Amino acid sequence: GAVVSQHPSWVICKSGTSVKIECRSLDFQATTMFWYRQFPKQSLMLMATSNEGSKATYEQGVEKDKFLINHASLTLSTLTVTSAHPEDSSFYICSARDRGLGGEQYFGPGTRLTVT
Amino acid sequence: QKEVEQDPGPLSVPEGAIVSLNCTYSNSAFQYFMWYRQYSRKGPELLMYTYSSGNKEDGRFTAQVDKSSKYISLFIRDSQPSDSATYLCAMRMTTDSWGKLQFGAGTQVVVTP
Repeated sequence: GAVVSQHPSWVICKSGTSVKIECRSLDFQATTMFWYRQFPKQSLMLMATSNEGSKATYEQGVEKDKFLINHASLTLSTLTVTSAHPEDSSFYICSARDRGLGGEQYFGPGTRLTVT
Repeated sequence: QKEVEQDPGPLSVPEGAIVSLNCTYSNSAFQYFMWYRQYSRKGPELLMYTYSSGNKEDGRFTAQVDKSSKYISLFIRDSQPSDSATYLCAMRMTTDSWGKLQFGAGTQVVVTP
């Protein structure tokens, strides 16, 4: 149990285009999902917190108009990187918090974004 | 000063040895403590999840929390080359209704055959 999927696992896009990343909790309901960014050999950097049916809360320094987050249901959240630039190239990871008692947080496998 | 401190390593041990990892933290409001394992280019995998002080054992893994010292540990017995990964400690406060985690920097572990 407690599986979180991400799609796609790897995407290459041209500078100026937008790309959407999906995060799904497959076998549990997640009231809260988180989006992280990770650079090589560094720890996770929280970008935003999304709650089902409400607007996402972004961490300081993260542009909300550039990184659009939609938490449409208890099992799906999407991150859209708009007008991507090479500096947006990174490893993006989502996590979902189990709605049940304890509220453990489970991570997806990550999406590698390369902007050319 | 970071809220959660973790030595980035690398920590190299021979196969079969005990791996000892730890984190220290400064915020006494942290109540939930986790250890994640992350392989290169993969998402973190939850290994251990504990609440408040005490010990928890799961197979070859033992997690310890000492809230009085603000210190948590993870021990891996009979280490295998497949345990080579980065281990991240994480913690959160009860008062944070969304459950945001604070992570350590991660310790890279290398188990040599």
